[in-house]
Amino acid sequence: KQEVTQIPAALSVPEGENLVLNCSFTDSAIYNLQWFRQDPGKGLTSLLLIQSSQREQTSGRLNASLDKSSGRSTLYIAASQPGDSATYLCAVPIDGGATNKLIFGTGTLLAVQP
Amino acid sequence: NAGVMQNPRHLVRRRGQEARLRCSPMKGHSHVYWYRQLPEEGLKFMVYLQKENIIDESGMPKERFSAEFPKEGPSILRIQQVVRGDSAAYFCASSPTRSGTGNNSPLHFGNGTRLTVT
Repeated sequence: KQEVTQIPAALSVPEGENLVLNCSFTDSAIYNLQWFRQDPGKGLTSLLLIQSSQREQTSGRLNASLDKSSGRSTLYIAASQPGDSATYLCAVPIDGGATNKLIFGTGTLLAVQP
Repeated sequence: NAGVMQNPRHLVRRRGQEARLRCSPMKGHSHVYWYRQLPEEGLKFMVYLQKENIIDESGMPKERFSAEFPKEGPSILRIQQVVRGDSAAYFCASSPTRSGTGNNSPLHFGNGTRLTVT
């Protein structure tokens, strides 16, 4: 049974700092992995999607890496800004296949202090 | 180019009443997913629908919960005889295809309906 864990549960950093969020999954047979952000009282916004054949994806100041064999993904945020404050979630398909039926991690609550 | 629209944003029901949550997917999206976020818990998959078909309802409680996505109109998540434990945020998401492929955002979420059962 797939399980997804995120560490740390909460993180507070000063503005401008680079930071790394971690995501672990127990079953390495995944089709892809997605990173989302959730703002308070809002839905989720997809940030990056990494296919199982890829090692990383980049979008602006965000870089996500994937190491299937070790069951890990990281989300790197460069030069953090107060607007980056949100909960960050990683997710993989529940049954490992090509589906948006996802299992989510518990999230990392990020606070970037101005 | 409207995103996924959910209504109502907030819904208060007394125990035993029915709750109806609506979701209009993004234009051109024919795949709809419902997720539930309980207080202090993560998002949990409930049901996956395409137009007029329930594809996978393995995450939905067997009793009191039902979902539909008719040929015309929004997808509806219906909870009968609500109990306090149903209080949660219910999110709808849509995608144009079955799987998350490509570099663009494959799964688009609405802002959710926050159900409170008193």
